[in-house]
Amino acid sequence: QKEVEQDPGPLSVPEGAIVSLNCTYSNSAFQYFMWYRQYSRKGPELLMYTYSSGNKEDGRFTAQVDKSSKYISLFIRDSQPSDSATYLCAMSASRGSTLGRLYFGRGTQLTVWP
Amino acid sequence: EAQVTQNPRYLITVTGKKLTVTCSQNMNHEYMSWYRQDPGLGLRQIYYSMNVEVTDKGDVPEGYKVSRKEKRNFPLILESPSPNQTSLYFCASGSGGPYNEQFFGPGTRLTVL
Repeated sequence: QKEVEQDPGPLSVPEGAIVSLNCTYSNSAFQYFMWYRQYSRKGPELLMYTYSSGNKEDGRFTAQVDKSSKYISLFIRDSQPSDSATYLCAMSASRGSTLGRLYFGRGTQLTVWP
Repeated sequence: EAQVTQNPRYLITVTGKKLTVTCSQNMNHEYMSWYRQDPGLGLRQIYYSMNVEVTDKGDVPEGYKVSRKEKRNFPLILESPSPNQTSLYFCASGSGGPYNEQFFGPGTRLTVL
């Protein structure tokens, strides 16, 4: 079992829809959670990050972490065609020999059509 | 401009012909890493380096070598490429700390015939 699981999709939604992207993980040492966005033929770029449990909002994007369920989510409100990309979750541990190393999900391909 | 550069961007080669993909960053980052990205498998880490002269295996290190002699450079070496190494390769450097935000290069599309 991979340490981070993410449904690769693809996910196709109309403009204006609310999008929910999710990841599950198995390593309880993960404390830092991130979402990267990757446009076609580009490298991934950091979109949002959160620490431990709770919510974080940035404009139309909300990241949620539920450590008790080992489940993280990214919500996109009022989705736009420009949000069409692959979204990768990533996590890291707070201690130990792997400090600083990121563990990525497979990515979910999202298309928002006008 | 802060960036990670990779060369070449595209490469077609034949089985067994040694090749090197270069990676350079100008952000003075201590952490650097190589990933390969394949359809359905996502981003998988090949090797990473926490600092000069310190390298560690990632999830898929077989068939690859790396070196970190200088802080800014982290070349990926394929001593004897095989067709199953056909992939999209990304180099990244990290800002450090627990989030260790990764800054990715533009990618190298490698085809091994």
